[in-house]
Amino acid sequence: TQLLEQSPQFLSIQEGENLTVYCNSSSVFSSLQWYRQEPGEGPVLLVTVVTGGEVKKLKRLTFQFGDARKDSSLHITAAQPGDTGLYLCAGVSGSNTGKLIFGQGTTLQVKP
Amino acid sequence: DAGVIQSPRHEVTEMGQEVTLRCKPISGHNSLFWYRQTMMRGLELLIYFNNNVPIDDSGMPEDRFSAKMPNASFSTLKIQPSEPRDSAVYFCASRRTQLGGEQYFGPGTRLTVT
Repeated sequence: TQLLEQSPQFLSIQEGENLTVYCNSSSVFSSLQWYRQEPGEGPVLLVTVVTGGEVKKLKRLTFQFGDARKDSSLHITAAQPGDTGLYLCAGVSGSNTGKLIFGQGTTLQVKP
Repeated sequence: DAGVIQSPRHEVTEMGQEVTLRCKPISGHNSLFWYRQTMMRGLELLIYFNNNVPIDDSGMPEDRFSAKMPNASFSTLKIQPSEPRDSAVYFCASRRTQLGGEQYFGPGTRLTVT
């Protein structure tokens, strides 16, 4: 069974601080996606990383896919209250199904 | 496009009652997914369809749960009989392609079984 473990589960920081969220697995994924979910809404895709070692930037957010395609990280620079939400990583199964395996999520609260 | 549409947004029912959740995927999308989200277990895939055909229902908790997709624009998730432990937010998502790409989530149905 493919599992994704996210850490930390909860994070409460002050505006302007930096943070990193980790997503780890013992399984290899063909690609990995990061979603953000706000209260009362469904998750929304932020980025997809495909190649081992790949780094993608989305404004103050930096996403990295591990060389072995088993892990990923999300780094936020100078967090803002608008970054508050639930961050979910999801691995795309290597089988011919395109099934997503979601991590448990990291709840981020950025206080002004 | 209107995005993925789910109804109802909120459902409160008594234990033992039948519950039907509805989903309209984005037009042109070939894959549809049903998820359940709770604080304890996170986001769990229940079942997904490709071209209206169920591909993997291994996440369906038990026989009380069933899902159908009679056509490309409509799917239902039914719980009969419902139990308090079924209380959760149920999401429907659709995707354009069968093997990868972005999943577009609906706003969810918050189900409370008393």
